[in-house]
Amino acid sequence: DADVTQTPRNRITKTGKRIMLECSQTKGHDRMYWYRQDPGLGLRLIYYSFDVKDINKGEISDGYSVSRQAQAKFSLSLESAIPNQTALYFCATSDTGTRGWNNEQFFGPGTRLTVL
Amino acid sequence: QKEVEQNSGPLSVPEGAIASLNCTYSDRGSQSFFWYRQYSGKSPELIMSIYSNGDKEDGRFTAQLNKASQYVSLLIRDSQPSDSATYLCAVNRGGGSYIPTFGRGTSLIVHP
Repeated sequence: DADVTQTPRNRITKTGKRIMLECSQTKGHDRMYWYRQDPGLGLRLIYYSFDVKDINKGEISDGYSVSRQAQAKFSLSLESAIPNQTALYFCATSDTGTRGWNNEQFFGPGTRLTVL
Repeated sequence: QKEVEQNSGPLSVPEGAIASLNCTYSDRGSQSFFWYRQYSGKSPELIMSIYSNGDKEDGRFTAQLNKASQYVSLLIRDSQPSDSATYLCAVNRGGGSYIPTFGRGTSLIVHP
């Protein structure tokens, strides 16, 4: 079984709809992240969480919200989807480990979201 | 200026050659450096990490770090068509958060 899973894998929705993307992990990692990827723009950080009670905005958090329901679950919501949120979304995890600055990341398979 | 810079490519090399991918970064406080491989439509996969100046070898891959010059590179020896992918450089920010910043990636094409 995959260590980091994302649901759904593909989603087509309409402008103004509320959408939730879910991420679960069995790696036992404390840190979780949400990224979006657009052609030519690389990976951009939306939100990150170092533990259940710690949520932080990334570089492009406007229009998004998150919830860390448990150590293993981190969901991303688009409150009112708009077409420029069409992108590939990745969840990632990392472990603080013995060296907090290590931070190797492990990615889920991605969710391809299309907003019409 | 973006914090992590990579040439977007594509870098085209013949099968069996050495592919050299480069990355520069702006934050002198960075402590951890990573290379991820991403096949089209797939998720990034960690292939190398490096924390100290010098070279680190793992199979056909060698990561090189020069903190004084603020660059990190990835060499792929005996390149194979299956190495064709986009390679993402990631650098952990300093200042205590240790959040990675990703470059936009370099597309590598290995032709038979």
